[in-house]
Amino acid sequence: ETVLTQSPTTTAASPGEKVTITCRASSSVSYMHWYQQKSGASPKLWIYDTSKLASGVPNRFSGSGSGTSYSLIISSIESEDAATYYCQQKSSDPPTFGSGTKLEIK
Amino acid sequence: EVQLVESGGGLVQPGRSLKLSCLASGFTFSNYGMNWIRQAPGKGLEWVASISSSSSYIYYADTVKGRFTISRDNAKNTLYLQMTSLRSEDTALYYCARVAYYGSPDYWGQGVMVTVSS
Repeated sequence: ETVLTQSPTTTAASPGEKVTITCRASSSVSYMHWYQQKSGASPKLWIYDTSKLASGVPNRFSGSGSGTSYSLIISSIESEDAATYYCQQKSSDPPTFGSGTKLEIK
Repeated sequence: EVQLVESGGGLVQPGRSLKLSCLASGFTFSNYGMNWIRQAPGKGLEWVASISSSSSYIYYADTVKGRFTISRDNAKNTLYLQMTSLRSEDTALYYCARVAYYGSPDYWGQGVMVTVSS
């Protein structure tokens, strides 16, 4: 099983700041996908195939990475970005999720 | 609009069974693989099971293998999860999710709660 380790577990940022969330895989994966989950809501696809933004996702979000290291970057935080973000891989079975990064807005 | 609506959850005693359903609409259900994914209270996401569009490929997490059965009825646009020998650690919000071309979920239902407790 490919274990995904996200860091940080929790982070707080002020509006306008840049935030980077990292996801490290225990073995190489071809692509990484990211989901946003707000409190009490279902997860939403946010970034797929490492760097493609899902429909409706603001372009202040971006994704990058390869092999065992991937990142979700928010260039300029807005209050609506407060949520938990999960990375996910399907390159090898079973599909696995990271443990999540909770983003708080100061 | 893609919609996935889960049902069938509830409170069940350990060792008992429960069957979840997920009614799909807004897309051609028979063209897509589907997943069940769960989230224990206050915890992260855990993939549970996958089924291909024609049911030819089925895969389970080790934690549920031999106890849970995923199935689908393409004529009824419905995905199922038959859960047997339920344990307290199966307590979670269960989501059905559509699988996109790249193999991961792109749409999720609102979830259905399963509580296993005596």
